[in-house]
Amino acid sequence: QVQLQQWGAGLLKPSETLSLTCAVYGGSFNAYYWSWIRQPPGKGLEWIGEVNHRGSTNYTPSLKSRVAISLDSSKNQFSLKLTSVTAADTAVYYCAGAPFGAVIMPPDYWGQGVLVTVSS
Amino acid sequence: AIQLTQSPSSLSAAVGDRVSITCRASQDIRHDLAWYQQRPGKAPKLLIYSESNLQTGVPSRFSGSGSGTDFTLTISSLQPEDFATYYCLQDYNFPRTFGQGTKVEIK
Repeated sequence: QVQLQQWGAGLLKPSETLSLTCAVYGGSFNAYYWSWIRQPPGKGLEWIGEVNHRGSTNYTPSLKSRVAISLDSSKNQFSLKLTSVTAADTAVYYCAGAPFGAVIMPPDYWGQGVLVTVSS
Repeated sequence: AIQLTQSPSSLSAAVGDRVSITCRASQDIRHDLAWYQQRPGKAPKLLIYSESNLQTGVPSRFSGSGSGTDFTLTISSLQPEDFATYYCLQDYNFPRTFGQGTKVEIK
């Protein structure tokens, strides 16, 4: 059973860099696509981006200039960095994983979520 | 980016009711649509993938249908634990996009 545990700074000032890490336990780390998704308080889900086992990434266009998702296969971890944050980036951030294979699968394994607040 | 529009945004229903939620895509996404359930304070839970495939462990009262641009999530007999917010997600292309959500409340 795959389990995801995520952590990172929960309070940032405007213009700082958001940095979150997600550790994967169980399963084969290289057999999944790994994603980050966020949810502003009281609002819906927003897909941020995804990285595959080769390190290839896809990002949502509105964040592409500020976001980077990376892998550390030696530690079974992946990370999210978002630069120049503003109050609009305040949200619960989730890491998630989807197995890859013959059928495209949506994210099925999720971290517990981390609330990141941006405030001066 | 593909836009997904869910309707209704919220609904009130009683235990035992049959409930349907629709998701309309701004372009043809074949069968590449998933449905999630999210309870307050919790991570989303995958219910349906590839339009109609029930994820392992999900009760059979949940079903998905549709193709192309119009999709439906149906709960055949609403149970107390089903009161939650439901989201559709397209994984046809990048960027992935979610619908805005449908909140199912107790009548």
